Amino acid sequence: GQNIDQPTEMTATEGAIVQINCTYQTSGFNGLFWYQQHAGEAPTFLSYNVLDGLEEKGRFSSFLSRSKGYSYLLLKELQMKDSASYLCAVRDNYGQNFVFGPGTRLSVLP
Amino acid sequence: EAGVTQFPSHSVIEKGQTVTLRCDPISGHDNLYWYRRVMGKEIKFLLHFVKESKQDESGMPNNRFLAERTGGTYSTLKVQPAELEDSGVYFCASSHAGTAQETQYFGPGTRLLVL
Repeated sequence: GQNIDQPTEMTATEGAIVQINCTYQTSGFNGLFWYQQHAGEAPTFLSYNVLDGLEEKGRFSSFLSRSKGYSYLLLKELQMKDSASYLCAVRDNYGQNFVFGPGTRLSVLP
Repeated sequence: EAGVTQFPSHSVIEKGQTVTLRCDPISGHDNLYWYRRVMGKEIKFLLHFVKESKQDESGMPNNRFLAERTGGTYSTLKVQPAELEDSGVYFCASSHAGTAQETQYFGPGTRLLVL
């Protein structure tokens, strides 16, 4: 079966660093994506990992370990506008569609 | 460049009625996807078009749902007749074929409430 787990909610302080974990068990693997979604808006693309290791993009970094079925999204220098849901999605081998995790709602406090 | 757009943004209908959702993908994107998020659950795949052809419709819940993409541009998703459990947010996404990453770009969704 297909299963992706993320923490439901997280809270962090402005200026801090937060790590959002994602574990997955899917029938195939052809890339892992992180999206940010503000309430009522479209999910927006943040990062893509297909090989093991860390991908850095400004304040956001994403890590992948395929052998462990594990990824994390690291957000540095948190800002109030980073309060949003963060979605982990895996693309399997057999199609191009995504399997989504439940999303992690991050609240950034002053 | 315009993003993925969806219409309407909200729809409230009664059980048994018909609703048609529309998605306009990013210009030039051959891949178009429909997803749905019901209350409290994760976003789930419904189907995938490549141009006007249905590539994968394994996620369509039942035959009350009909998706079309005539001409390979915009797509419609019709629910007929709607049931209470069809309530949720329907997302459309598109991607450009032929790249290794093939990032999917999402629309803002249509919020459907069936009463």
